[in-house]
Amino acid sequence: DSGVTQTPKHLITATGQRVTLRCSPRSGDLSVYWYQQSLDQGLQFLIQYYNGEERAKGNILERFSAQQFPDLHSELNLSSLELGDSALYFCASSSQLAGASYNEQFFGPGTRLTVL
Amino acid sequence: GENVEQHPSTLSVQEGDSAVIKCTYSDSASNYFPWYKQELGKRPQLIIDIRSNVGEKKDQRIAVTLNKTAKHFSLHITETQPEDSAVYFCAASKPGAQKLVFGQGTRLTINP
Repeated sequence: DSGVTQTPKHLITATGQRVTLRCSPRSGDLSVYWYQQSLDQGLQFLIQYYNGEERAKGNILERFSAQQFPDLHSELNLSSLELGDSALYFCASSSQLAGASYNEQFFGPGTRLTVL
Repeated sequence: GENVEQHPSTLSVQEGDSAVIKCTYSDSASNYFPWYKQELGKRPQLIIDIRSNVGEKKDQRIAVTLNKTAKHFSLHITETQPEDSAVYFCAASKPGAQKLVFGQGTRLTINP
């Protein structure tokens, strides 16, 4: 158990709908990262938050957005869902401060999203 | 931006033999190189990492080597066991709590 929690574990929805995925980082971790993993694919970085502020963006679609709250949990919002959005969505957290040299990340169990 | 290439994409070895997975990275500013193991449908688990100030690190049957000049790093698993079967990902990141850039993954199968 990495200490990172994600809910829900599974989500089944229809095209055009909107969903929210939730992540709670390890206690004390300030950074949260979101990754998407499509079937038999690698891990694609979506977005990073550090202590409530957006820090880096990857290949995140405009239909997707995220935020990190004062208690440091994060939510990933996916809207106007398409069949191709079906994937595993992982969040990871890191305790490293912004100026630190190394970036050890621990992953949550993921949310499996199925768009029908 | 950073690009990480990983080879091979699939690897099958006999139980007890060694397995080697190789990665190359493009950004010479990268200084942290973790390896993750992912079993089917589960989260990636950090199994070993190496920082740019060392050339080799070992943890029981797992070792990682780093060649900064050539910008490549490798995972070595010795005395492989069936439970080593999984997908392995290498990654690289730069200083300052930066995102991880992952390789494409290697599906390792250990044959009894």
